[in-house]
Amino acid sequence: DIQMTQSPSTLSASVGDSVTITCRASQSIRSYLAWYQQKPGKAPKVLIYKASNLERGVPSRFSGSGSGTEFTLTISSLQPDDFATYYCQQYSSFVTFGGGTKVGIK
Amino acid sequence: QVQLQESGPGLVKPSETLSLTCTVSGGSISYDYWSWIRQPPGKGLEWIGYVYYSGSTNSNPSLKSRVTISVDTSKNQFALELRSVTAEDSAVYYCARYVPGGRDYNDYMDVWGTGTTVTVSS
Repeated sequence: DIQMTQSPSTLSASVGDSVTITCRASQSIRSYLAWYQQKPGKAPKVLIYKASNLERGVPSRFSGSGSGTEFTLTISSLQPDDFATYYCQQYSSFVTFGGGTKVGIK
Repeated sequence: QVQLQESGPGLVKPSETLSLTCTVSGGSISYDYWSWIRQPPGKGLEWIGYVYYSGSTNSNPSLKSRVTISVDTSKNQFALELRSVTAEDSAVYYCARYVPGGRDYNDYMDVWGTGTTVTVSS
């Protein structure tokens, strides 16, 4: 099984800040990585697929990078709507999610 | 656009079988892959398994012995059965669609249901 490790598990930031979340895979997953945003009581929403491709309708302040075993999600200028929990998901071999990163208000 | 809705009992007794259905509306269940994912209270997401419209399935090795996923194309629905449940199976259960035109079940999910809460308790 491929394990996904996210860091940090929580972070505090202010509106306008740039934030970066890291996701590491236990083995190479090439670029088969997606990022989701989840708000309390809601289903996850895909932001990024294939490591760096922005899903249609997602603001351009979200960006993803990486390949192999290390990936990052960057939010370039945090907006009030961005305070949420973010998950990475590998799909190189079936599906595994990272443990999540909760982005809170500083 | 395609919408998904989970349905089923919100309370299941320990050792019994959890049964949920996902109804697909706004599109056909055919030619796509569909999945079940769960999220225990306050925890992260766990992939349970997938079904293809043809009926082929696979599931998370950690749950495989207890899981059955099936599809009913005539009703545009797919279903999850989880046997011998314990309190650790209490979670919000989501159904989701693998992105169409993707790699098959090795892909991301682009449409999710709203989720249904299942509590295992006597």
